[in-house]
Amino acid sequence: NAGVTQTPKFQVLKTGQSMTLQCAQDMNHNSMYWYRQDPGMGLRLIYYSASEGTTDKGEVPNGYNVSRLNKREFSLRLESAAPSQTSVYFCATGQGGAYEQYFGPGTRLTVT
Amino acid sequence: SQQGEEDPQALSIQEGENATMNCSYKTSINNLQWYRQNSGRGLVHLILIRSNEREKHSGRLRVTLDTSKKSSSLLITASRAADTASYFCATDEGGSYIPTFGRGTSLIVHP
Repeated sequence: NAGVTQTPKFQVLKTGQSMTLQCAQDMNHNSMYWYRQDPGMGLRLIYYSASEGTTDKGEVPNGYNVSRLNKREFSLRLESAAPSQTSVYFCATGQGGAYEQYFGPGTRLTVT
Repeated sequence: SQQGEEDPQALSIQEGENATMNCSYKTSINNLQWYRQNSGRGLVHLILIRSNEREKHSGRLRVTLDTSKKSSSLLITASRAADTASYFCATDEGGSYIPTFGRGTSLIVHP
């Protein structure tokens, strides 16, 4: 089992470019999450999906869109990248509710 | 907004010593979780403690929860160099069941 996979691992974008971060899980979890991690800020929730077909905003959703393609896949799209979106992005999955989350390896994004 | 805040921000100890880090939070919670993050990697779940529990153990890890003080502590006994990592607490603000992460404690264990 691969667990939670994220692609790409690294990406450099110019301001204004768009891209999609992909996340896939083979753990049969209902809930999936996107976080960003910045130095000294911990993890901040961007969007989450409690189940297939539903998505909700987290703490910092501006500048991002998400798609829960099916139970396995949850993508994060930056329509017009900005330098403030330079960060490490983590996808996580879980059974939802009061259960632990399982994290992917992260995508390191730099916007110049 | 950050619900849980870890203390200290950084901790440096020798191998074999115990490491204690604390997490304080502001509102009522359903559960509190501790995660570890090795440099350049994703977070790994360590322990989940529910609001009606006071203490949990897992190997060399001991977690306590004091809901009256809105605080939790993570104790790592007999630390090893491999325990070098950042440790995060995650709490769910009452009713939400969506975990909110603190800024983390950076632990360095010197061999």
